[in-house]
Amino acid sequence: NAGVTQTPKFRVLKTGQSMTLLCAQDMNHEYMYWYRQDPGMGLRLIHYSVGEGTTAKGEVPDGYNVSRLKKQNFLLGLESAAPSQTSVYFCASSYPHRSTGELFFGEGSRLTVL
Amino acid sequence: GNSVTQMEGPVTLSEEAFLTINCTYTATGYPSLFWYVQYPGEGLQLLLKATKADDKGSNKGFEATYRKETTSFHLEKGSVQVSDSAVYFCALKFDSNYQLIWGAGTKLIIKP
Repeated sequence: NAGVTQTPKFRVLKTGQSMTLLCAQDMNHEYMYWYRQDPGMGLRLIHYSVGEGTTAKGEVPDGYNVSRLKKQNFLLGLESAAPSQTSVYFCASSYPHRSTGELFFGEGSRLTVL
Repeated sequence: GNSVTQMEGPVTLSEEAFLTINCTYTATGYPSLFWYVQYPGEGLQLLLKATKADDKGSNKGFEATYRKETTSFHLEKGSVQVSDSAVYFCALKFDSNYQLIWGAGTKLIIKP
């Protein structure tokens, strides 16, 4: 039962470096999401996708890019990392929103930008 | 706008104590309400939900009732265990929208 898998789980970057987080789901879900979690702020939506080949901005998209070339994968890229992007990143997936509304989450990726 | 407010944590209780974590919401319309739980080192998982007023969601001994009159969805458990130590998130969602609106989370610590 893989569910939603995120890689890598930990990463340390220097300011200005770039990286990509990979999210893979094996539940054939249409919707996928990238969130960031910061202390005292709950979850904030970065980008989301409603299907293969589509992406859209969430609440806090600046400094991030995403791609969904295959239905099962959703990539989050940081073009030029900044210390403000130090956070824990969660990927989630779901069936289309008119169904249960339940999101399935990965275990998270902890990113530190020095 | 739509929002969710949770009580600040951490909430520290002894094993077998009664638990209440408060959640209130502001929304135009009638959303579905959710409680998610995040155990240490893990992602969030759905704990329970309610889709209309007066509905009661329940799971693993936890309960929450959708109160439209008080715009609340408080999480309760009669007797907590050490294994319930986690962060609990309240959230709302409208059927017409993809997005969940999240509370800030409440950390629960249960001492033996």
